[in-house]
Order: sequence, then structure tokens, then C-alpha cells
Amino acid sequence: NAGVMQNPRHLVRRRGQEARLRCSPMKGHSHVYWYRQLPEEGLKFMVYLQKENIIDESGMPKERFSAEFPKEGPSILRIQQVVRGDSAAYFCASSPPNLQETQYFGPGTRLLVL
Amino acid sequence: GENVEQHPSTLSVQEGDSAVIKCTYSDSASNYFPWYKQELGKRPQLIIDIRSNVGEKKDQRIAVTLNKTAKHFSLHITETQPEDSAVYFCAASSTSGTYKYIFGTGTRLKVLA
Repeated sequence: NAGVMQNPRHLVRRRGQEARLRCSPMKGHSHVYWYRQLPEEGLKFMVYLQKENIIDESGMPKERFSAEFPKEGPSILRIQQVVRGDSAAYFCASSPPNLQETQYFGPGTRLLVL
Repeated sequence: GENVEQHPSTLSVQEGDSAVIKCTYSDSASNYFPWYKQELGKRPQLIIDIRSNVGEKKDQRIAVTLNKTAKHFSLHITETQPEDSAVYFCAASSTSGTYKYIFGTGTRLKVLA
């Protein structure tokens, strides 16, 4: 069973461009969480999704950020008009329906905004 | 709001000694407490977890204790080895909520050979 997959692993964008981060949960997992980790800091919750539904987006900035988890395909975290402060590592995690409290993390996408 | 405090931020121990990391949470609805180990540039990896219906859990050299009344939980690593060097994060979540994790700020553990 492959682990949580994220791509790209590294992403460089210039200010004002868009960043798209993808997350494929573990097989059989239907819950996806996104977290952001700024350099030398802990992980901060952004959004929790189930297939085709956003369940909790209380940690997501109100502007420029959006997330989806379509019926088919990976979950996408989209950042529009990136700014330097968006530079961070973005981790997604997934959990199975029968053990929802345990989250398994992907390798992260390291976004650098120039 | 929900908050998890973690101490110390850095910890150096001699190989073979024990290391203790402490966390305090604010949300009384929290009932699941995982610990993650993160090596430089890698993903966080779950090393142990505890649910609120138990006070202690042990897995080889790693143990976690929970005091629900005081809202404290701690990670204990015995007989530390150089490969234990990493950043450790505690987290708290509520299974009656959305299961999102509120993470502590991390402890950078250095085991000196």
C-alpha cells in the first residue's frame, strides 16, 4: 500500500503566479487534511476535505487559497497570486474511514516564492 | 482558541540518557494525542499516540503519559540513540470535532554520541 503522495516535491513561483499542489491519499482513505509549515515552525491546520466536500476550512486564509477533493483524482490546494509569505512546506495527510483520528502524512511540497 | 504549548524548544542529551518533552492543551474536548517525529526535510512520522481513556502507553523505548485533569501529556524516550535526533511535535485533536490536529511548536532533540 503506497503512502500518501504529494507532487511536486519542490515548486518555485514568482510573485503573482499561481501554485497548484496535489495530494493523493493512501488507498482506501477518504479524508484529506492540509497543513502548512513555515520555516522553523510547527504545522498549522488549513483545511479538511472528504470526497467532493470541504468539511472544515477554518485554517485557510480567506483570499487566494482554495482546496478541492474531487470524486476522481487527487486533492488540490491552489494558491493564486502567490506572495513571498506563502513560501513554506505544505503537507497533506490522509486518514481511513474506520480510524479517522490517525493521520498519515505525505512528503510535503516545498513552495518557494521569488 | 485551541492551543497546544510544547516545551522545551530544544533539548540536548547524552546518548543513553532519557529525554522528556511536555505539552499542554487548552481544548477540553481534545481526546486524541499523537506524537510525530520529523527529520530534516522529511515528512512527520507518527511514533506513538494516546487516547484520553488511558493514562499511559508504552512502545519499547518510547512512552507517553496523559493527565486529563491538568491537560498535560508528555513523551518519554529512554536509552536515547543518535538516530533519535530530530524534531518532535505533539498534537491534540477531538474525535467529536473534525479530527484536525492542533500541533505544538516542536522540540529539537539532539542526542550527543
